[in-house]
Amino acid sequence: DTAVSQTPKYLVTQMGNDKSIKCEQNLGHDTMYWYKQDSKKFLKIMFSYNNKELIINETVPNRFSPKSPDKAHLNLHINSLELGDSAVYFCASSQGRGAFFGQGTRLTVV
Amino acid sequence: GESVGLHLPTLSVQEGDNSIINCAYSNSASDYFIWYKQESGKGPQFIIDIRSNMDKRQGQRVTVLLNKTVKHLSLQIAATQPGDSAVYFCAENQAGTALIFGKGTTLSVSS
Repeated sequence: DTAVSQTPKYLVTQMGNDKSIKCEQNLGHDTMYWYKQDSKKFLKIMFSYNNKELIINETVPNRFSPKSPDKAHLNLHINSLELGDSAVYFCASSQGRGAFFGQGTRLTVV
Repeated sequence: GESVGLHLPTLSVQEGDNSIINCAYSNSASDYFIWYKQESGKGPQFIIDIRSNMDKRQGQRVTVLLNKTVKHLSLQIAATQPGDSAVYFCAENQAGTALIFGKGTTLSVSS
C-alpha cells in the first residue's frame, strides 16, 4: 500500500527514444509534482498539477510532457531523449504544504 | 551580530554525538519550511516542518530552528545513530507554490 508509487524504478534507453514514467498516489491528494534530481543530488521542480490541471511549469524543454488522466495519476512522457536527461525523476503529491515523494525513477540515456 | 550558517555538503559525526545541519533559504516570502531525509536509492522522506510564525519546533530526537532575520534554518539531531546516515535537504514554499529545495548535506555517522 505504497502512498506514491512510480514505475519503472530503473530505465535505460538510447538517445532519441521516447519513454514514459508513470506515477500513482493513493493518498487522495489534489496536487502532484514531478521533480528532477541531478548527479549532484540537487532537486528541482519540473511540473505541478492540481486536480488534473497544470499549475506550475518550470523552464523545462517541451520534449517533456506531463499527463494527468485523473487526480491520482501524473505521468511524464519524454520525447527524443538526450544524454542530459539522465537523472532521477521523483513524483510527489501533497494536500497542503508538505509533499510525499515516490521512490524515484533512475533514467539513464546512453 | 548573527551570521548565516554555512552550508556544508558533508558532515561526519560519531555515533551518539549531536548533529547540526544548516540551510540558508532564498525567498523571504516563504512561510513554510521542511526538512527531508533521503537514503540511498529512496525518495525524500519528511522529518519535521515549521511555519514562519514559529522559531523552534521539536520532534523525536530532532529540532528545527528558524531564523527569519537571516533566512536560516537548522536541523539538530540528538544522539545521532548510524541509521541517520543520509542526505538531508531543507525545502521552503509559500501557499500555492511547489517546494523549493536547498542543496543537500550528506550526513555520515560512524560507530
